[in-house]
Amino acid sequence: AQKITQTQPGMFVQEKEAVTLDCTYDTSDPSYGLFWYKQPSSGEMIFLIYQGSYDQQNATEGRYSLNFQKARKSANLVISASQLGDSAMYFCALPQGGFQKLVFGTGTRLLVSP
Amino acid sequence: DVKVTQSSRYLVKRTGEKVFLECVQDMDHENMFWYRQDPGLGLRLIYFSYDVKMKEKGDIPEGYSVSREKKERFSLILESASTNQTSMYLCASSLSEGRKTEAFFGQGTRLTVV
Repeated sequence: AQKITQTQPGMFVQEKEAVTLDCTYDTSDPSYGLFWYKQPSSGEMIFLIYQGSYDQQNATEGRYSLNFQKARKSANLVISASQLGDSAMYFCALPQGGFQKLVFGTGTRLLVSP
Repeated sequence: DVKVTQSSRYLVKRTGEKVFLECVQDMDHENMFWYRQDPGLGLRLIYFSYDVKMKEKGDIPEGYSVSREKKERFSLILESASTNQTSMYLCASSLSEGRKTEAFFGQGTRLTVV
């Protein structure tokens, strides 16, 4: 069965600095993808970035990038130039079976200080 | 702007009550999901539906049922609410095709059972 592990319950970063949020996964699928979502205090989950296991390059979306290391089964999210609005919960997720069902990690709470 | 709308942000119900959580999406998505979010556990899948009147159990279906009579609407039903069902409930929808297809989430319903 698919499994996602996020080992950092909380992270602190100063504004304008970069931060890395860790995610490791376990899957038996030969082809898979990984999603990162952000959950602000308002509660809604916001899609940030996607990495396919056979993508040639690591995914980037604006200030978000993925440090994808397939052999180590890790897909760490890097946020560059942190902003106060980046303070939120961040979840890594892996599709399980068909129909885009997602298995989520336990999340990392990021706090950005001025 | 695409939207998944949950009928309530906050609900307080009594033990033993029958509770309905409603979710509507306007994106013509085939797949709809109900997740439950608890601190330290991440999001866990309760039920999902891949078509009208079609449903499948997720990882924690006990104590819940669902209904999907129309494509845009997916309801979660707590037949007899219990205090251990106090939680945040998140509805999501996605297209059926494409590995990269992200799920879109509603704003969440925070349910308290007293």
